[in-house]
Amino acid sequence: AQSVAQPEDQVNVAEGNPLTVKCTYSVSGNPYLFWYVQYPNRGLQFLLKYITGDNLVKGSYGFEAEFNKSQTSFHLKKPSALVSDSALYFCAVRDGSNQGGKLIFGQGTELSVKP
Amino acid sequence: NAGVTQTPKFRVLKTGQSMTLLCAQDMNHEYMYWYRQDPGMGLRLIHYSVGEGTTAKGEVPDGYNVSRLKKQNFLLGLESAAPSQTSVYFCASSYERVGSIQYFGAGTRLSVL
Repeated sequence: AQSVAQPEDQVNVAEGNPLTVKCTYSVSGNPYLFWYVQYPNRGLQFLLKYITGDNLVKGSYGFEAEFNKSQTSFHLKKPSALVSDSALYFCAVRDGSNQGGKLIFGQGTELSVKP
Repeated sequence: NAGVTQTPKFRVLKTGQSMTLLCAQDMNHEYMYWYRQDPGMGLRLIHYSVGEGTTAKGEVPDGYNVSRLKKQNFLLGLESAAPSQTSVYFCASSYERVGSIQYFGAGTRLSVL
């Protein structure tokens, strides 16, 4: 069965410091991996995805993520955090063989960036 | 482009009442989804549809029904609301292509008393 784990409920970072939000996954086939961000009282917004190719994926707002097949991880990173990055972040996985494009989401990580 | 629009934004129900949540998308997407979001549990798939006239169960379908009579609309129904259905509900849609992004609506906050 597919699953996604985000081991940290909350990550606290000082503005200007690098940030990492962790994600590990389990799928039976080739993984399609996504990161979404949710600001308060809003829907989810797409940040970036890994389908195939280069293990380092760059996305919106300066975020990037590294796909590591041996560690089954897809950690979200940003070199220099902004206060405006404070939000709830979700990792999601899709098994490439499943029909309907269904995603399995992690439980979410609350990122707090302090000035 | 409006994208994915959900109505209503807020609703309070009494136990046993029924209601329908409407999702409309203007991107000509084949796939549509209903999720519920509960604290500490991420998003869980309720039902989904791969095309007009088709629906399928997701991870937590009990107590909900759906219909997709038109490609652009996906309705979520609660026939007899229960307090356990208090949640934030999100609709999403995507193209059929492998790796397509799901686009989300702003959500419906539902309280069942």
